[in-house]
Amino acid sequence: SAVISQKPSRDICQRGTSLTIQCQVDSQVTMMFWYRQQPGQSLTLIATANQGSEATYESGFVIDKFPISRPNLTFSTLTVSNMSPEDSSIYLCSVEVGRGGRTEAFFGQGTRLTVV
Amino acid sequence: GENVEQHPSTLSVQEGDSAVIKCTYSDSASNYFPWYKQELGKRPQLIIDIRSNVGEKKDQRIAVTLNKTAKHFSLHITETQPEDSAVYFCAASVATGGFKTIFGAGTRLFVKA
Repeated sequence: SAVISQKPSRDICQRGTSLTIQCQVDSQVTMMFWYRQQPGQSLTLIATANQGSEATYESGFVIDKFPISRPNLTFSTLTVSNMSPEDSSIYLCSVEVGRGGRTEAFFGQGTRLTVV
Repeated sequence: GENVEQHPSTLSVQEGDSAVIKCTYSDSASNYFPWYKQELGKRPQLIIDIRSNVGEKKDQRIAVTLNKTAKHFSLHITETQPEDSAVYFCAASVATGGFKTIFGAGTRLFVKA
C-alpha cells in the first residue's frame, strides 16, 4: 500500500494568483498522477509526473497552467497558475502500486480549491 | 486513448435490494478493471477489481463481471445496506510502462433504509 500526505487540504484564493499543492508519498514510486474532481463529478487526469523528466499532460491541460515538479521519487507538486473561478475544484494526487498484475490507486486526501 | 462510460449516474435502491452498475471501455489493450468507492468528502478507495483473464470475481456482497468481447464490465452489490451509499467509480487500466487509470463518470448510489 501507499500513504499519501497532500496539502493544503483546502484554500480560498484570489483570481489571478497561483497555488501550489504538495504530495508526499511514504514509499518510492515511479509515477505520480494529478487529478481534478469537480463537485459531484468524476476524476479527470491532469498529468502524469515522472521523476527526472517533464510531466505528461492530458488533452485540455497545459504546462503553463498546471506546472508540475517531481524532484524525487516520493514527492511532487502541482501549481494552479493564474487562477480563475473555473479552477475551483478538488485536486487529488495519486500513486499506483502494482503487484502480481494488480494495480491499486491510492489517493491523497485532496485539496479543495475555491477561487474568488 | 481509453474512454470509460458508466451508467447509471444515479441509482436509488431499498435496503436489502441489489444494485448493478455498468461500464464500457474502448481500448482493447485495457487489462485491469478496478472499482472505487468514494464516500462524501473522502478520497476514493478500491473495493474490488478484476483482471482481463477472469470473467467474474466475488467478495462477500460485491461481485464484478467482465465481458472482454463486448468490452463491458459490471459491479453487483447484493443485500445493500445504508452504508453502501456512496459514489462508485469504475476504471480501466492500460499497462503502458506503468499503469494509467481512466475513470468512469461515477454512479451515486442511495440505499434507502
